[in-house]
Amino acid sequence: KNEVEQSPQNLTAQEGEFITINCSYSVGISALHWLQQHPGGGIVSLFMLSSGKKKHGRLIATINIQEKHSSLHITASHPRDSAVYICAAELRETSGSRLTFGEGTQLTVNP
Amino acid sequence: DADVTQTPRNRITKTGKRIMLECSQTKGHDRMYWYRQDPGLGLRLIYYSFDVKDINKGEISDGYSVSRQAQAKFSLSLESAIPNQTALYFCATSDAIPGAYNEQFFGPGTRLTVL
Repeated sequence: KNEVEQSPQNLTAQEGEFITINCSYSVGISALHWLQQHPGGGIVSLFMLSSGKKKHGRLIATINIQEKHSSLHITASHPRDSAVYICAAELRETSGSRLTFGEGTQLTVNP
Repeated sequence: DADVTQTPRNRITKTGKRIMLECSQTKGHDRMYWYRQDPGLGLRLIYYSFDVKDINKGEISDGYSVSRQAQAKFSLSLESAIPNQTALYFCATSDAIPGAYNEQFFGPGTRLTVL
């Protein structure tokens, strides 16, 4: 079983819809990362959080440490939001940290 | 100019060949990582380095080796490439600020095909 599980694997929405992507993890983490992979392959970091909620524009990330669960929400979705969204758990080690990733959620937003 | 660069961007090679993928960064980060991405499996960690003298195996290091030539350079080698090493390979870097979130910055990826 993966240490990080995402759902759904694929999601198709109409422009303007509210979107939720879920992430559950089974390990102790120092932080939870959300990343976006563009259709061309490039990967960028969206959020890093260890408690509560963070907001950036139309994107909101929440985390519940007790339930080991995080969600990424997109409000008023737009076709340019179409991408793969990846959840990753940051695991701290003696001299640093590393990420372990979910499989990603392919989001397609249709006009 | 990109902060994290990878060369080559695309490579097609044959089974048994030795391949080196190179990663350079101008961000001044100590930490560097190599991942591979396969459809349906997500990103998996191959090797990581917290500084020039600290190199660690990730979850799928078999068949790979690395060299951290300098703070800015981290190379991944496939000593004898095999077809199931066909994948998209990413290099990433991060800072090491205690008590802070340390974002990972990814290179553009190298698409490797082993025939």
